[in-house]
Amino acid sequence: IAGITQAPTSQILAAGRRMTLRCTQDMRHNAMYWYRQDLGLGLRLIHYSNTAGTTGKGEVPDGYSVSRANTDDFPLTLASAVPSQTSVYFCASSDSTSGSDEQFFGPGTRLTVL
Amino acid sequence: GQNIDQPTEMTATEGAIVQINCTYQTSGFNGLFWYQQHAGEAPTFLSYNVLDGLEEKGRFSSFLSRSKGYSYLLLKELQMKDSASYLCAVREGDYKLSFGAGTTVTVRA
Repeated sequence: IAGITQAPTSQILAAGRRMTLRCTQDMRHNAMYWYRQDLGLGLRLIHYSNTAGTTGKGEVPDGYSVSRANTDDFPLTLASAVPSQTSVYFCASSDSTSGSDEQFFGPGTRLTVL
Repeated sequence: GQNIDQPTEMTATEGAIVQINCTYQTSGFNGLFWYQQHAGEAPTFLSYNVLDGLEEKGRFSSFLSRSKGYSYLLLKELQMKDSASYLCAVREGDYKLSFGAGTTVTVRA
């Protein structure tokens, strides 16, 4: 693994189903993030984690949950998917001890909820 | 919270210069970022400003005025591969970024 990966690449999901999007980074970054990107709205933060064992809510957390059991993994779960959750989901990570704390993004997961 | 504004679209000719403006309102400014995003791909980091002034990095430069809540990204000697969306993002506090909706730049031959 090099950098940050996400799985699956894309998924079509029936409404009401449960879905977990996976995110793994090998850069030992302390902070990780989940965003959704919708046309005309830009990237919006769903949840974040400053360090393993802690999580926080972003701008649009409703309907989503996360966990951070270790440094590398930060899964995002949709407990009961709804069509409004159709979006492209990006996971990102950063080293908050660095000067700029730039975020590195995964390749994204395109999710369609029918 | 954040209110970040940037133009929706811009078009320029290959070899020209384009300036993408970004204005923001925030209660706890802690840095401004510019990201580039090609269609269907992930955003990639371009620049970071936390103090007033100009940061130059090759063909790309970014400027910040904290008192005016204003930044711009300057793209010089435009190339076809610069056709992409450019995202302005403001950090408030320690970790979280708030993004503008992005500016789609189209470079024409």
